[in-house]
Amino acid sequence: DQQVKQNSPSLSVQEGRISILNCDYTNSMFDYFLWYKKYPAEGPTFLISISSIKDKNEDGRFTVFLNKSAKHLSLHIVPSQPGDSAVYFCAASVRGTSYGKLTFGQGTILTVHP
Amino acid sequence: EPEVTQTPSHQVTQMGQEVILRCVPISNHLYFYWYRQILGQKVEFLVSFYNNEISEKSEIFDDQFSVERPDGSNFTLKIRSTKLEDSAMYFCASSEWTGAYGYTFGSGTRLTVV
Repeated sequence: DQQVKQNSPSLSVQEGRISILNCDYTNSMFDYFLWYKKYPAEGPTFLISISSIKDKNEDGRFTVFLNKSAKHLSLHIVPSQPGDSAVYFCAASVRGTSYGKLTFGQGTILTVHP
Repeated sequence: EPEVTQTPSHQVTQMGQEVILRCVPISNHLYFYWYRQILGQKVEFLVSFYNNEISEKSEIFDDQFSVERPDGSNFTLKIRSTKLEDSAMYFCASSEWTGAYGYTFGSGTRLTVV
């Protein structure tokens, strides 16, 4: 099941710079997309989401961009901080027909160096 | 901030034994979920539960698995006869409504089947 893919297993960024994490999906029924952050020994923590009717959503240092025609979304973190180092998961859902089931990507390990 | 609590944090069991993983969702949440993550793989949906019944389940959730909300506060996942391949992190989550943006995950139970 490769409906949601994060092709970069890892990303290394200098503190203060921009981190860009990418995610592709194949299921055109997905209408809601989320980014989760996960530290070791903890559950995923919700970061930011976007509905398919929008192409951008911002929350502080985090911005998610959605390109529906390309079936691609990205998470921008500006400026990156060492505390942002974690695994980032992209997830998608079909809100209209599903009871909240999320389909996750494989995750990208972000390391922010001081 | 309200939390989803999972116990135990780590469970080791012999192959063929039954295990029960326990979760206390956030008190005003109505939708409950189990996900699992096999080491190095994606977080995968197992089951969603609403109004005291299963609302959706994945093909992973076969007859060996069952869920229950026995007393209005706990939400349990039972694996009847564990297999080696059931070794994974199991995450419970709850949400106030469907749509996934209200999702809160617990810290997980690491199940090791030996």
